[in-house]
Amino acid sequence: KQEVTQIPAALSVPEGENLVLNCSFTDSAIYNLQWFRQDPGKGLTSLLLIQSSQREQTSGRLNASLDKSSGRSTLYIAASQPGDSATYLCAVRRNSGGYQKVTFGTGTKLQVIP
Amino acid sequence: KAGVTQTPRYLIKTRGQQVTLSCSPISGHRSVSWYQQTPGQGLQFLFEYFSETQRNKGNFPGRFSGRQFSNSRSEMNVSTLELGDSALYLCASRTDSGFEGQYFGPGTRLTVT
Repeated sequence: KQEVTQIPAALSVPEGENLVLNCSFTDSAIYNLQWFRQDPGKGLTSLLLIQSSQREQTSGRLNASLDKSSGRSTLYIAASQPGDSATYLCAVRRNSGGYQKVTFGTGTKLQVIP
Repeated sequence: KAGVTQTPRYLIKTRGQQVTLSCSPISGHRSVSWYQQTPGQGLQFLFEYFSETQRNKGNFPGRFSGRQFSNSRSEMNVSTLELGDSALYLCASRTDSGFEGQYFGPGTRLTVT
């Protein structure tokens, strides 16, 4: 059974800091890993998708890396802004019993202080 | 391209009633998944539909059911509502490729009183 853990559960940083969010998973046989952000009471917004054959993906100030062998992904946010305040979730897709299953992490709640 | 849409956005129901939620996927996406999100349990997978067939199901009681139409639109039904069913219900669509990500709708906030 795939378990996905995100540490820390909450993070508060001053504006302008660079920060790293972590996502750990137990089963390395994955198709891909996707990072999302969720604003309170809203749906999930896709940030980055990393295929199992890739090591990293970049979009603007965001960079996500994937290390399957260690079961880890990190989301790097450069020069954080108050608008980055949200909950960040990682989701791992893998094959299970002939179907593809997605397991979400527990999330990291980020607060960027002006 | 329009995103995933969900209706209604908010719903208040009484215990024992039933409810139907609707999801329209992104054009060209044939897979639709449903999730329940609560503060205590986080995001939990309900089921996935592809080409009008349920092909994957999470660990929810039979009160939770769904279907998908030929145009890929999907509905989720919850019968005999319980207070614990209060949650944000999220729908996500994707192409059927295992190498594509999911795209989520804004969700339906269900409150059971």
